[in-house]
Amino acid sequence: DTEVTQTPKHLVMGMTNKKSLKCEQHMGHRAMYWYKQKAKKPPELMFVYSYEKLSINESVPSRFSPECPNSSLLNLHLHALQPEDSALYLCASSQDLWRVTYEQYFGPGTRLTVT
Amino acid sequence: GNSVTQMEGPVTLSEEAFLTINCTYTATGYPSLFWYVQYPGEGLQLLLKATKADDKGSNKGFEATYRKETTSFHLEKGSVQVSDSAVYFCALSDPGGSQGNLIFGKGTKLSVKP
Repeated sequence: DTEVTQTPKHLVMGMTNKKSLKCEQHMGHRAMYWYKQKAKKPPELMFVYSYEKLSINESVPSRFSPECPNSSLLNLHLHALQPEDSALYLCASSQDLWRVTYEQYFGPGTRLTVT
Repeated sequence: GNSVTQMEGPVTLSEEAFLTINCTYTATGYPSLFWYVQYPGEGLQLLLKATKADDKGSNKGFEATYRKETTSFHLEKGSVQVSDSAVYFCALSDPGGSQGNLIFGKGTKLSVKP
């Protein structure tokens, strides 16, 4: 099973709302990632967790708050977002952060619209 | 720094035509190379990969060969189908860093007409 699942599939939120995106994998992968993808652009890395610890934070605004409760789950907590944060949010996982031969497996994404 | 350059398209082909999407890279050391495909409204799917020079990755009729001498990883398919219409991303794993340094090209949109 090479599946990464994400919920919800679509999310519309106001600028004062608090919401969370969820990601799950059961492949035993120890690295998990959050990406943001704008239309007609490649994904941009936001956060990386390795063995449930935050390893990389690509200078993402604090209104995005990641959490890795266990090795299978990854959350992205959203608060006070701006309209420009509207995008497709992708979760990915890989077997290990430090072996560059390992591929990343992506989920289907959450389409976020901030109104 | 490390980078990936791919033809941006869009590329429009008729069904059963031959496909080439060019990808070249700049990297120190020995990166791993990947092609990902994104169908409309979906996430990215790994299409194929190669981890060392002269490796050929293949999947679903698509092929790409890791050419270190030309720093290229061109994607090819002999006969495209309408169902191949998607955006294709070339990517490399930074050998000096980590999986977090997966560097993507800008993507090439392919449209296949019946």
